[in-house]
Amino acid sequence: DAKTTQPNSMESNEEEPVHLPCNHSTISGTDYIHWYRQLPSQGPEYVIHGLTSNVNNRMASLAIAEDRKSSTLILHRATLRDAAVYYCIRGSTLGRLYFGRGTQLTVWP
Amino acid sequence: GAGVSQSPRYKVAKRGQDVALRCDPISGHVSLFWYQQALGQGPEFLTYFQNEAQLDKSGLPSDRFFAERPEGSVSTLKIQRTQQEDSAVYLCASSSQRGTGGTYEQYFGPGTRLTVT
Repeated sequence: DAKTTQPNSMESNEEEPVHLPCNHSTISGTDYIHWYRQLPSQGPEYVIHGLTSNVNNRMASLAIAEDRKSSTLILHRATLRDAAVYYCIRGSTLGRLYFGRGTQLTVWP
Repeated sequence: GAGVSQSPRYKVAKRGQDVALRCDPISGHVSLFWYQQALGQGPEFLTYFQNEAQLDKSGLPSDRFFAERPEGSVSTLKIQRTQQEDSAVYLCASSSQRGTGGTYEQYFGPGTRLTVT
């Protein structure tokens, strides 16, 4: 049970920002929010994670709602290489990750 | 540096055969995870090691699945008497996480695609 809800698919044009939403309404106070992405025929790749505050790294930004029941992964300028399945993952036990089906992001040139 | 490697990358087994899948984690990583990914689905947790200790095997689907990490580095996932429903990509991940405090990113290998005919 992934316990997060994401749209099945989203589309974007190259060099435009992309906002990938995720709902995690049953999140507990100590659960981190993780984002991974998976390119075709590859293993998942870490993108970003956060607990309460918004987070930025070289790949993306993570905006977490004040009530923590939802979050948004922001890719500031989509490239063709960003086309992948993006997984929003709520918390972990002993580090194990609970993946759902993710959002398939298509980027158009 | 070298990432997580897995071998073989592809494996075709006849139903009933035993298979062994190998994972070489990133050197020095304490934690090692196995996941199973069916076609069109997200990865599902199978088992977790901290060093050589298997701390969680709750995701193993049956007693035909067995994993080991005897020296706390390389790990092997063994599937006995393979069935068609075992066809999937088996992913290995490692992490420098120790214990349950905090959170650390997991580094995934490319996976082994198992096809049972």
